[in-house]
Amino acid sequence: DAGVIQSPRHEVTEMGQEVTLRCKPISGHDYLFWYRQTMMRGLELLIYFNNNVPIDDSGMPEDRFSAKMPNASFSTLKIQPSEPRDSAVYFCASRRINEKLFFGSGTQLSVL
Amino acid sequence: RKEVEQDPGPFNVPEGATVAFNCTYSNSASQSFFWYRQDCRKEPKLLMSVYSSGNEDGRFTAQLNRASQYISLLIRDSKLSDSATYLCVVNKGSNFGNEKLTFGTGTRLTIIP
Repeated sequence: DAGVIQSPRHEVTEMGQEVTLRCKPISGHDYLFWYRQTMMRGLELLIYFNNNVPIDDSGMPEDRFSAKMPNASFSTLKIQPSEPRDSAVYFCASRRINEKLFFGSGTQLSVL
Repeated sequence: RKEVEQDPGPFNVPEGATVAFNCTYSNSASQSFFWYRQDCRKEPKLLMSVYSSGNEDGRFTAQLNRASQYISLLIRDSKLSDSATYLCVVNKGSNFGNEKLTFGTGTRLTIIP
């Protein structure tokens, strides 16, 4: 199995630009999670989906962040407009119900 | 107060030594607990679940104290390959249940040759 696949691995952009992060979960997993990791705050859950439906987006910092899951094999996290404080590692993770969580390799985002 | 608190370290420990980390959680309704390991510039990976009665996996022992709301991880006979950041994780739901996981900020461990 290929595991959770995220792209890009690294993204460097300028403040004000739109950023789109992509995730392909493991086939057959019905839950998908987006996390953000910083030194100060650790891993924070932004949003999660069950069967492509957003269940809890209370961790999304503000309206500049949006996430979609148009089908079972693809999700995006979009930041528009991006700000320097959005710089972090963004992880996507997936799992089946009552099974362990698998993380992707993450996207290192730098907003200049 | 943070939901999950850990000593960030770093812990610098000689190879072969025993090292222990603690983690405290604030929500008494939490039901399931885990330790994850994260290597530098890599994704977190599940190390082990933590059960009420305590559990062991090779050189690793995890314990839970519900009354004091803390979790511990003990590593015996430490190896160079144990160098990593160890994340304490708490879930309000049942084991691997539907609730979201809350991660601590991690304890960084370096094993010195």
